[in-house]
Amino acid sequence: NAGVTQTPKFRILKIGQSMTLQCAQDMNHNYMYWYRQDPGMGLKLIYYSVGAGITDKGEVPNGYNVSRSTTEDFPLRLELAAPSQTSVYFCASSYGRGFTGELFFGEGSRLTVL
Amino acid sequence: AQSVTQLDSQVPVFEEAPVELRCNYSSSVSVYLFWYVQYPNQGLQLLLKYLSGSTLVKGINGFEAEFNKSQTSFHLRKPSVHISDTAEYFCAVSDRAGGGADGLTFGKGTHLIIQP
Repeated sequence: NAGVTQTPKFRILKIGQSMTLQCAQDMNHNYMYWYRQDPGMGLKLIYYSVGAGITDKGEVPNGYNVSRSTTEDFPLRLELAAPSQTSVYFCASSYGRGFTGELFFGEGSRLTVL
Repeated sequence: AQSVTQLDSQVPVFEEAPVELRCNYSSSVSVYLFWYVQYPNQGLQLLLKYLSGSTLVKGINGFEAEFNKSQTSFHLRKPSVHISDTAEYFCAVSDRAGGGADGLTFGKGTHLIIQP
């Protein structure tokens, strides 16, 4: 029972490099989310999607892009990495119909930008 | 817009003692309320949730929380903690009317430290 799978688990980037964090879920969930977690700051929503082909900005979208070509996948793209993007990134998903807010999280991707 | 305040960033407790983690929320609409737990180097797991009905909700691992609408609070309690309860605990809120499609609003977290 895989649930939400994130890759890579760890990555070090140089300033200005780009990369994509992958997220896949096998629960046929309609809703998917990307959060970042910084120490003492809780989780901040970066982008979310309510279905394939539909994405929207969250609280902290600057410096990131997403796409949702399938129900299963929701990659997060970092363009021109900056030290401020050093963080732990979590992908999550949830049911669409009858949604109550319960999220299922991946194990996280720890990104360091030097 | 919603916001969540967790008043304590860190709570040290002796093993087998009771604990309460405090959470207050602010919202102009009706909400669903959640507590999530994060063990070291892991993702978040749902501990319990309040959707409707009884204001006292029970979750996994012996935790419970009480929804108090007049005080806009959703404090988490456990009568006797174990060393394995050491973790970060997050309170979260979801907009009920909007279906929560835009995710949850999280508090900053409370680090529960169990001392032997």
